[in-house]
Amino acid sequence: QKEVEQNSGPLSVPEGAIASLNCTYSDRGSQSFFWYRQYSGKSPELIMSIYSNGDKEDGRFTAQLNKASQYVSLLIRDSQPSDSATYLCALVGNAGNMLTFGGGTRLMVKP
Amino acid sequence: SQTIHQWPATLVQPVGSPLSLECTVEGTSNPNLYWYRQAAGRGLQLLFYSVGIGQISSEVPQNLSASRPQDRQFILSSKKLLLSDSGFYLCAWSTGGNSPLHFGNGTRLTVT
Repeated sequence: QKEVEQNSGPLSVPEGAIASLNCTYSDRGSQSFFWYRQYSGKSPELIMSIYSNGDKEDGRFTAQLNKASQYVSLLIRDSQPSDSATYLCALVGNAGNMLTFGGGTRLMVKP
Repeated sequence: SQTIHQWPATLVQPVGSPLSLECTVEGTSNPNLYWYRQAAGRGLQLLFYSVGIGQISSEVPQNLSASRPQDRQFILSSKKLLLSDSGFYLCAWSTGGNSPLHFGNGTRLTVT
């Protein structure tokens, strides 16, 4: 089992819809969770950090963390074509100090 | 604020030639530094990380090496490039612990 799992996609949503991206992880002691956005040919950009159970909202983005079920998700409201990118889930495991990345989910927002 | 500089942006090198990619971070002291590689359409592969000057940890055996001659400078090198070394090379920094990584703009390396 991979440490951080994401569906590779592509996840296709119409413009204006809610895009839901999910990530599961195996290390129950994981402490910090991050979402990165990577446009084609560009480097990953940090868009959300979440450290405790529950929801964290930032503009159109909401990160949700459920440590008991070992999943973290990213919701993008009012999706725009400019949101089309690969979204990477990452976490710091129980050992600390190192990020582990998932393989990413490719999101396509169709006008 | 902190910034990370990585160069060159693109590089085309023949097989067997040497490689030197440089990365510098500004606005922070004693950062953790990382080199990742991303093959086309693939995920991030951690190559090296460093928690201090002269301290390098290698995650995968290969013909690449890394050095950290100064606190905020991280260099990725190879003596002889292979075709399989082609990819997108990313430098990143963090403050360690539970903090996120921040990536440079990357270098796209094509070995011909």
